[in-house]
Amino acid sequence: GESVGLHLPTLSVQEGDNSIINCAYSNSASDYFIWYKQESGKGPQFIIDIRSNMDKRQGQRVTVLLNKTVKHLSLQIAATQPGDSAVYFCAETQAAGNKLTFGGGTRVLVKP
Amino acid sequence: DTAVSQTPKYLVTQMGNDKSIKCEQNLGHDTMYWYKQDSKKFLKIMFSYNNKELIINETVPNRFSPKSPDKAHLNLHINSLELGDSAVYFCASSQDRGRVHTFGSGTRLTVV
Repeated sequence: GESVGLHLPTLSVQEGDNSIINCAYSNSASDYFIWYKQESGKGPQFIIDIRSNMDKRQGQRVTVLLNKTVKHLSLQIAATQPGDSAVYFCAETQAAGNKLTFGGGTRVLVKP
Repeated sequence: DTAVSQTPKYLVTQMGNDKSIKCEQNLGHDTMYWYKQDSKKFLKIMFSYNNKELIINETVPNRFSPKSPDKAHLNLHINSLELGDSAVYFCASSQDRGRVHTFGSGTRLTVV
């Protein structure tokens, strides 16, 4: 069946270092991917998205990389800050899809 | 202005009770969703409505009944609450089906 992502691992990173969060997906028909950030007590917030016709997209301090060959995407956060501490989710959908399928999330803890 | 608002934020109730969670979005989106997030942070879609029409009904007990009086509102009614219903429930909306969601801040339901 479809699956996206990993069950909640934790990434500890020193403030100022770069963070890389990984996500695997299994549905080869997936053509649109989104990264969300969820802070404690809040709903998920959109960070960045990427379509399957791209392999890289950059935002402010964030970069998403997509490798369709191995069905893998990653989120890179540059110069990680304490405010980046949260749970990060990848999500995927298909062109004719009605829903997002979320991965299991990765908790990022930023150490001062 | 809150884009997607859901009430209440916290709900503690006894087994067997019936409760409702309300959701409203002021983004003019056509599609609304209910997600359930378990204790391991896994987000799973429950229902989706597009212009008041039910388009997704995942394997959810029929004790859960969504109602969409108009495209800006999607309420969730739960009958005969069980301990396993304890979770955080998120409402979300999107302009296009299965695309970028805007989430509410969640309703933490605790069944005792």
